[in-house]
Amino acid sequence: GESVGLHLPTLSVQEGDNSIINCAYSNSASDYFIWYKQESGKGPQFIIDIRSNMDKRQGQRVTVLLNKTVKHLSLQIAATQPGDSAVYFCAERPGSARQLTFGSGTQLTVLP
Amino acid sequence: DGGITQSPKYLFRKEGQNVTLSCEQNLNHDAMYWYRQDPGQGLRLIYYSQIVNDFQKGDIAEGYSVSREKKESFPLTVTSAQKNPTAFYLCASSPGSYNEQFFGPGTRLTVL
Repeated sequence: GESVGLHLPTLSVQEGDNSIINCAYSNSASDYFIWYKQESGKGPQFIIDIRSNMDKRQGQRVTVLLNKTVKHLSLQIAATQPGDSAVYFCAERPGSARQLTFGSGTQLTVLP
Repeated sequence: DGGITQSPKYLFRKEGQNVTLSCEQNLNHDAMYWYRQDPGQGLRLIYYSQIVNDFQKGDIAEGYSVSREKKESFPLTVTSAQKNPTAFYLCASSPGSYNEQFFGPGTRLTVL
């Protein structure tokens, strides 16, 4: 089956800098994408989602960008804080499916 | 308090024993899901249910069983047929199949 993947397994950023986490997807039929944050030993938390009829969506300190031409999704975190340290997953839903497919995750570490 | 609860948080099992993991939600969500997460990896779908008294196999259903007798409950049984059951198990729910999923805190199962 098709899969969601991440370019980098780990990312380290200085506190206060902006973070960009990337995700490549291969299913051109995917119409809905979600970013989750998972802290160690806890369940994933919803961060932001975007539908395929949009290119950009903003939340509080986070922005998701969708480039359907190259099947690429990114999560931007502004002014990264120590509490942002976690594993970030992207997930996609192919239009015909009723479940999500998750990527393997990127570990974000915020340096003091 | 609305949300998804999973119990127990930690569970130990001897080889050859069946064990049932609890998942309860009071969000009035129709759909519920079970995922397995291994260290450093993403989430893999075990079973999902879109409505009471109905459920479908996910990608890795072998060695697992579920029931959905009530809307708020979706217990997962890990049977002795599951060859490598030690993992972190996550339950999720969503208002419908085409919405974001909300996750519980997870159960860490260890086979001794």
